[in-house]
Amino acid sequence: LAKTTQPISMDSYEGQEVNITCSHNNIATNDYITWYQQFPSQGPRFIIQGYKTKVTNEVASLFIPADRKSSTLSLPRVSLSDTAVYYCLLISSGSARQLTFGSGTQLTVLP
Amino acid sequence: DAGITQSPRHKVTETGTPVTLRCHQTENHRYMYWYRQDPGHGLRLIHYSYGVKDTDKGEVSDGYSVSRSKTEDFLLTLESATSSQTSVYFCAISTEGEGEAFFGQGTRLTVV
Repeated sequence: LAKTTQPISMDSYEGQEVNITCSHNNIATNDYITWYQQFPSQGPRFIIQGYKTKVTNEVASLFIPADRKSSTLSLPRVSLSDTAVYYCLLISSGSARQLTFGSGTQLTVLP
Repeated sequence: DAGITQSPRHKVTETGTPVTLRCHQTENHRYMYWYRQDPGHGLRLIHYSYGVKDTDKGEVSDGYSVSRSKTEDFLLTLESATSSQTSVYFCAISTEGEGEAFFGQGTRLTVV
């Protein structure tokens, strides 16, 4: 299984843009890059998913270079409520697939 | 939350007793997963299912078994609970293709 590597923690201040990078050197052709957010005592929540280039939704942007060996989740103008753990996963479009979470990145937004 | 329900939400049980956790979905999604999460750790996959009666092991499957006799239900059984299985258990579902996964609210299990 292709693995992902993320920073363990990051701090930011309210109103700043936050970029969290995930490395996935062994990504497979049929893998999609997916990011989840988890608050304490809750299940993870889907944020964004992409295959290549850039994807943007109302919450975040996802930047994927041409070689797809890394990806960057960008959160614009974070607030205190964005304090959470962020996970990068690779989801295969194949038939029998696991969803394997790494350790995630603890983002702490400071006032 | 995406039609996925875990039961019970909280359970305290004694060491050595069998325990079954239930995950129920109303979305007719093909894939279902069971994870455990311990303090300060990410989610670790226990078992997953890719169809009725089609299941496979995850990274921490020892001491756990699963069954999926119908699309909507995925059961996780601890045959003989141990204190090391005290954890929060999450169920997830996902669709075909690259579909996103939806998680249940979790079951907090304490083995005393």
